[in-house]
Amino acid sequence: AQTVTQSQPEMSVQEAETVTLSCTYDTSESDYYLFWYKQPPSRQMILVIRQEAYKQQNATENRFSVNFQKAAKSFSLKISDSQLGDAAMYFCAYRRWGTDKLIFGTGTRLQVFP
Amino acid sequence: DSGVTQTPKHLITATGQRVTLRCSPRSGDLSVYWYQQSLDQGLQFLIQYYNGEERAKGNILERFSAQQFPDLHSELNLSSLELGDSALYFCASSVAIRGDNEQFFGPGTRLTVL
Repeated sequence: AQTVTQSQPEMSVQEAETVTLSCTYDTSESDYYLFWYKQPPSRQMILVIRQEAYKQQNATENRFSVNFQKAAKSFSLKISDSQLGDAAMYFCAYRRWGTDKLIFGTGTRLQVFP
Repeated sequence: DSGVTQTPKHLITATGQRVTLRCSPRSGDLSVYWYQQSLDQGLQFLIQYYNGEERAKGNILERFSAQQFPDLHSELNLSSLELGDSALYFCASSVAIRGDNEQFFGPGTRLTVL
């Protein structure tokens, strides 16, 4: 069975600085998708960034980028120029190609200090 | 706003009772997913419906059931409620074209069982 592990329950960063959230996953599949979701205090789940496993190039979305290491089964999220609004729970998620089920990690709570 | 609506926002009930959670997907989305977010189990996939039919099942208890109606809205029925069923229940929807299939999450229903 596929599993997603986020080993950092909490992280903190100062405004305008850079922070990296870690995620590892376990799968025997070769085709899959990886995601980072943000859950602010409002509890809404918001997709931050996605990565297709077949793509070697790391995905980027404005201040958010990933470091996807397929062989190591690692998928970290880098947030640059952190803003107060980035404070939230961040969930790493996996989806096997051909299925729709998302498997989530346990989340990392990010605090941003002014 | 993701375009997915869920009602009610909050629900407080007693053990042994039955409740119904409702979800309306984004316009054009054929697939609906239900997830449970609890403190001890994290975010877990419960069930998926596609155009009225069950497509995938996750860790859904036998006391729980769901359906998707011809107008594509979905209901999640929870019966014989226990304290441990207290959680945030998310609905998500997608177009559900195999392969590229982003899920958009609703705001969730917070269920409290007393």
